[in-house]
Amino acid sequence: AQSVTQLGSHVSVSEGALVLLRCNYSSSVPPYLFWYVQYPNQGLQLLLKYTTGATLVKGINGFEAEFKKSETSFHLTKPSAHMSDAAEYFCAVRGGNNDMRFGAGTRLTVKP
Amino acid sequence: NAGVMQNPRHLVRRRGQEARLRCSPMKGHSHVYWYRQLPEEGLKFMVYLQKENIIDESGMPKERFSAEFPKEGPSILRIQQVVRGDSAAYFCASSGDSPHSGNTIYFGEGSWLTVV
Repeated sequence: AQSVTQLGSHVSVSEGALVLLRCNYSSSVPPYLFWYVQYPNQGLQLLLKYTTGATLVKGINGFEAEFKKSETSFHLTKPSAHMSDAAEYFCAVRGGNNDMRFGAGTRLTVKP
Repeated sequence: NAGVMQNPRHLVRRRGQEARLRCSPMKGHSHVYWYRQLPEEGLKFMVYLQKENIIDESGMPKERFSAEFPKEGPSILRIQQVVRGDSAAYFCASSGDSPHSGNTIYFGEGSWLTVV
């Protein structure tokens, strides 16, 4: 079975600063990894995903994530935070059984 | 291409009543997932279904909760004899089973259940 741990339930950054949201996973098979974003009272939107191939994945809104197998990590980054990035971010892992598990989420706050 | 459709978006039930939440997956998708999000908490897996089959229900409470995904029609999450602790947002998601789908799951907008 697979699982995800997101380090830090709340992250606060200043506008223009680097965003780093941490995600570590556990999977018995080569995983598929995802980051989703959730704005208040809305569903989850896919930011980016890693399936195979290049380990640095670029997504929407300037976000990217790097799959590091040796560290079992898939951290999400953005060079310069924008006020509109304030939201809840979820890391997810999907294993061979087609099931998907989510982390507990990280709430990103962007200060002006 | 219509996305994952959930209804109702908001549902109010009195304690002891039944709540039925519906989910129509994205066109061509045969895998459906239900998640629950409690206030100030993360997303908790409940159940994973394919057409007419429950694949994994390890996240479903043992009592009062059931889910189905019939051959025809939407997936239904049913909560009997609701209690205040059932108040939450319930999200449905779907995925296709073809390699082209990229194994992404797509979420609906959620159904917010309030038990009064």
